[in-house]
Amino acid sequence: DQQVKQNSPSLSVQEGRISILNCDYTNSMFDYFLWYKKYPAEGPTFLISISSIKDKNEDGRFTVFLNKSAKHLSLHIVPSQPGDSAVYFCAVPWAGSYQLTFGKGTKLSVIP
Amino acid sequence: ETGVTQSPTHLIKTRGQQVTLRCSSQSGHNTVSWYQQALGQGPQFIFQYYREEENGRGNFPPRFSGLQFPNYSSELNVNALELDDSALYLCASSWGLAGNNEQFFGPGTRLTVL
Repeated sequence: DQQVKQNSPSLSVQEGRISILNCDYTNSMFDYFLWYKKYPAEGPTFLISISSIKDKNEDGRFTVFLNKSAKHLSLHIVPSQPGDSAVYFCAVPWAGSYQLTFGKGTKLSVIP
Repeated sequence: ETGVTQSPTHLIKTRGQQVTLRCSSQSGHNTVSWYQQALGQGPQFIFQYYREEENGRGNFPPRFSGLQFPNYSSELNVNALELDDSALYLCASSWGLAGNNEQFFGPGTRLTVL
């Protein structure tokens, strides 16, 4: 049973436009959410996180929105750049630990 | 500061064999977690080692085992390999057990079981 779901395997966006990546979760007890980015032949790298006490967290071009009632979070990238092309995973830690549950990932392609 | 390194990069084994994968954690980190990423899936948590002891395990059978050494490097051992064990194996290091983002991943070992 998937506790973290990313239903879009892939997304293509023109350079300069907005990329929106979505993630749904099933457990309302989750209190922290993370996004990781993964390039081929590299390990995932932490991108941005959000606590359940917030509904938005922004870091430069990256913003994560959390809708607790819908159990949904989204990652917005504005403006998208070709270097953003990667697989993006949302993840939740078990009780604040480093034991992460990941979604299946969304492959973002930013077209120049 | 040295990042997380893993060896080997690629490995091919046959069904029934045993394999050992290695991970050197980032300098100053005392916790190592191992993940399995099958094709088209997200990483799945296997287990975690903290100060040389297993601290948490995911839904993996006992033929997946591990070790952490006094220098905090780690090994993942898989016995009686099955075809479904073919995957990218990632290790991640961190300091301590709790924290929400300070976890650093290595590039992974690609295991193919024939």
